[in-house]
Amino acid sequence: QVQLQQSGPGLVKPSQTLSLTCAISGDSVSSNTAAWNWIRQSPSRGLEFLGRTYYRSKWYNDYAVSVKSRLTINPDTSKNQFSLQLKSVTPEDTAVYYCARGKDSVAGSFDYWGQGTLVTVSS
Amino acid sequence: DIVMTQSPDSLAVSLGERATINCKSSQSVLYSSNNYNYLAWYQQKPGQPPKLLIYWASTRESGVPDRFSGSGSGTDFTLTISSLQAEDVAVYYCQQYYNTAHTFGQGTKLEIK
Repeated sequence: QVQLQQSGPGLVKPSQTLSLTCAISGDSVSSNTAAWNWIRQSPSRGLEFLGRTYYRSKWYNDYAVSVKSRLTINPDTSKNQFSLQLKSVTPEDTAVYYCARGKDSVAGSFDYWGQGTLVTVSS
Repeated sequence: DIVMTQSPDSLAVSLGERATINCKSSQSVLYSSNNYNYLAWYQQKPGQPPKLLIYWASTRESGVPDRFSGSGSGTDFTLTISSLQAEDVAVYYCQQYYNTAHTFGQGTKLEIK
C-alpha cells in the first residue's frame, strides 16, 4: 500500500520560499512506472497541477506555466521522498498543497495523495 | 492549456436515483496512436484529498463500487452514479492528462434531494 506523508510549515511570509516534503512508502521515487506530483487547491483557483518529477532512465521535471519561474521539484533517492520549493510567494499562493502519485507509465491520473498541507502566505 | 468545463455546477439527486455529471474539454483528449482518452474522474469529500474513481475515461480504479461508471470520447465525457448512496455526497472533478498541464474541471457538488 502506497502512502504519502507531507511535512512543512503552514505559514510563510510574503516574498519568502515555501518548502514542502513528501515522504513515500510502498513505492520508490525512482520508479519507472510512476511520477511524483505537487497539486494545490484554493477557492479561487480550484485544483491546480503545479509540477512533477519522474525517472525514466534519467530524471525529468514538468512545471505548470503559471509557476515555472518560481518552482523547483526535487527527488531525494536517499530518503525516498520529493520536495517542492516555491520562491517569492504572495498571498495568491495560499492554498492546500497536496503531493500525489501519477500512476502507470503515463503517470497522468493520480491514485495516491498526501494528506494535504494548508499553507497560508501572510506577514 | 486545455480547459475542462463541468456541468452542472451542483446537482441534487434522490437516494437510489441516477446522477449524471458532464465534462467537456476545449480540445480532444483522445490520443489517436493508442485510442485512449486521457481523462480521469475524482471524488472529494470535505477535509480529504481527491480520490481517483475513473481513469482512461472509463476504467474504474480498484476498489471503486461498480455504481460509478465513466463514458465518452474526444471532448465530451460523463460520470454516472447508477444508484446514489448517502456516502456519494461529495464534489466530483474531471481532469485531463493529454498534456502536461493536467488541468481539472471546476467541480460539481453532488447532494441528496
